[in-house]
This record gives sequence, structure tokens and C-alpha cells, in this order.
Amino acid sequence: DAMVIQNPRYQVTQFGKPVTLSCSQTLNHNVMYWYQQKSSQAPKLLFHYYDKDFNNEADTPDNFQSRRPNTSFCFLDIRSPGLGDAAMYLCATSRGNLNTEAFFGQGTRLTVV
Amino acid sequence: GQNIDQPTEMTATEGAIVQINCTYQTSGFNGLFWYQQHAGEAPTFLSYNVLDGLEEKGRFSSFLSRSKGYSYLLLKELQMKDSASYLCAAFFKAAGNKLTFGGGTRVLVKP
Repeated sequence: DAMVIQNPRYQVTQFGKPVTLSCSQTLNHNVMYWYQQKSSQAPKLLFHYYDKDFNNEADTPDNFQSRRPNTSFCFLDIRSPGLGDAAMYLCATSRGNLNTEAFFGQGTRLTVV
Repeated sequence: GQNIDQPTEMTATEGAIVQINCTYQTSGFNGLFWYQQHAGEAPTFLSYNVLDGLEEKGRFSSFLSRSKGYSYLLLKELQMKDSASYLCAAFFKAAGNKLTFGGGTRVLVKP
């Protein structure tokens, strides 16, 4: 059974129209990460939550926001998608201070038209 | 930052062995992962090293030297299905262990 679930798998949005991607987990992990991955590039960390504490990467554009209403769910909000935001968005979780692997969802492929 | 460096691309023959090297900044280092990623799919976990030494898991082995900031992934008896990107990623001590990826190494296995 999938432990980190991302919905939808494919999302098409219009240029400038706000879009929200969702991630849920059944692992009860403290940490949830959002990555952006463009074609033939490695995943780039946008931000991560340790419980409710939000940690933003210095180079993450203000256009990207996140919410974590509870342990199980985390959302990525793109306020005004541009063509350059088309990418695969990956959600991952880990236990935090315990050294175990990070578990990834299947990703959401975002297309901006 | 936490620079993680690995070669961009490698080519090998089916049945052969390939070693993918990864170097990282040692400050705040808290564990290293290798992931395999096929095109269009999410990364899948291969191995985790936190102590020095070699971890063997079937055809795949991973080595870590903390003092040198160095790891490698060894793929033995290569199969065509091993053609994929291999991502080196490290935990760095920050709130909840920040997981950062290297640029990935694309491995092409030829018959």
C-alpha cells in the first residue's frame, strides 16, 4: 500500500492561475519535504516541515507556498504559475532525527499552458 | 551550502560493473542515501550509509568514508533495466534533517 500519496499524478493549469498540489502520508513521520524536479535534473528542495516548523530554502521563489494543517497532510501552493514552473513535484517524508530513509510519493507532473 | 557532486553520465556494458562516486561537504553531515530513478518516476531507495564502510545488498553496494566526504555506489552484473539515474543524497543537520540531492548520474547500460 502506498505510504506517501500525491494527488493528482498529472495536473494541467493555466498560466497565472493558482494551483495546489497535495501530499498525504500514513507513516506518521515528523518531516515532510517538497521538491521540484525538472527534466534531466536532480530534485531541488523547495522547503520542508519538521512537525509544524516551516523551513524555506533561500532560493525558493515567493510564488511557492506550503501548508501543513496536520501530521498527515502537506500542500504546495503555486500562487501564479509561470511556464518555468512546469516540472515534477515530489513529496517525501522522514522521521527527522532518526536516521532512516526518506520515502517518496509518486510525484505530480505539472503542466502550465 | 551542502555541495554534493557526482558525475553526470556513465556508460557500461551489460554484465559489467560500474562505480558511481559522490563527494559532499562534511559540515553537518548526518547520513548518505543512494536512490535510483527511472525517467518520469519517483526516486526509489537503494541504500543508506551513516557509518564508514561498505553496505552490500545483492548486486548493489554502497561505501562511505565520513572523514573524506566520499561515497560510491557499486552496481555489479549490470542488467539493461539498471539504465536509470542514480541520485546521491545526504542528510545535513538542520531542523528535521535537511535532505539534499546531488545532480544525479545517468547510467546507460549497453548490450
